[in-house]
Amino acid sequence: DTEVTQTPKHLVMGMTNKKSLKCEQHMGHRAMYWYKQKAKKPPELMFVYSYEKLSINESVPSRFSPECPNSSLLNLHLHALQPEDSALYLCASSQGPGTYEQYFGPGTRLTVT
Amino acid sequence: GQQLNQSPQSMFIQEGEDVSMNCTSSSIFNTWLWYKQDPGEGPVLLIALYKAGELTSNGRLTAQFGITRKDSFLNISASIPSDVGIYFCAGRAGNMLTFGGGTRLMVKP
Repeated sequence: DTEVTQTPKHLVMGMTNKKSLKCEQHMGHRAMYWYKQKAKKPPELMFVYSYEKLSINESVPSRFSPECPNSSLLNLHLHALQPEDSALYLCASSQGPGTYEQYFGPGTRLTVT
Repeated sequence: GQQLNQSPQSMFIQEGEDVSMNCTSSSIFNTWLWYKQDPGEGPVLLIALYKAGELTSNGRLTAQFGITRKDSFLNISASIPSDVGIYFCAGRAGNMLTFGGGTRLMVKP
């Protein structure tokens, strides 16, 4: 089973709201990733967690705050977002950091109003 | 940073035709991955390539890891309407994937 799940599927939030995106995998993978994807563009890496520790932060603004409560879960906390942050947010996981293929979830379509 | 050039950007073909797309880079990669993405969904892994020169098939899909480690191609034989979508190549060096710009495939029944 190569399934990564993400909730919610869609999210609309105002610029003053606080919300969280959730990602879960039960494949025993030890690396998890957050990507942002704008329309007609490839995914852009935001964060990498390796063995539940943040290993890469691609200079993402502090209004995005990742959290890895355990090896199966990955959250992305959102606060004071801007309309240009509207995008498809993708979670992915891999067996290990960097060495193996990444499996993506279905994404959360985020709209900031 | 590393750049992946993926071509063509889009293709409009007749059902039953074969399709070929490729990615090239100025840098060496250790792994090449090919993904397909449907609208509003996440990318789905199609093929993973680990060795220079490796040729791998997955049904009607065939992909190769270039001998120089700087390129890869994906072929789809006998295309069908459900092949419609965006195909992304991705090269791995170190901890990170670098994605190509995508090839949008449209299939006319």
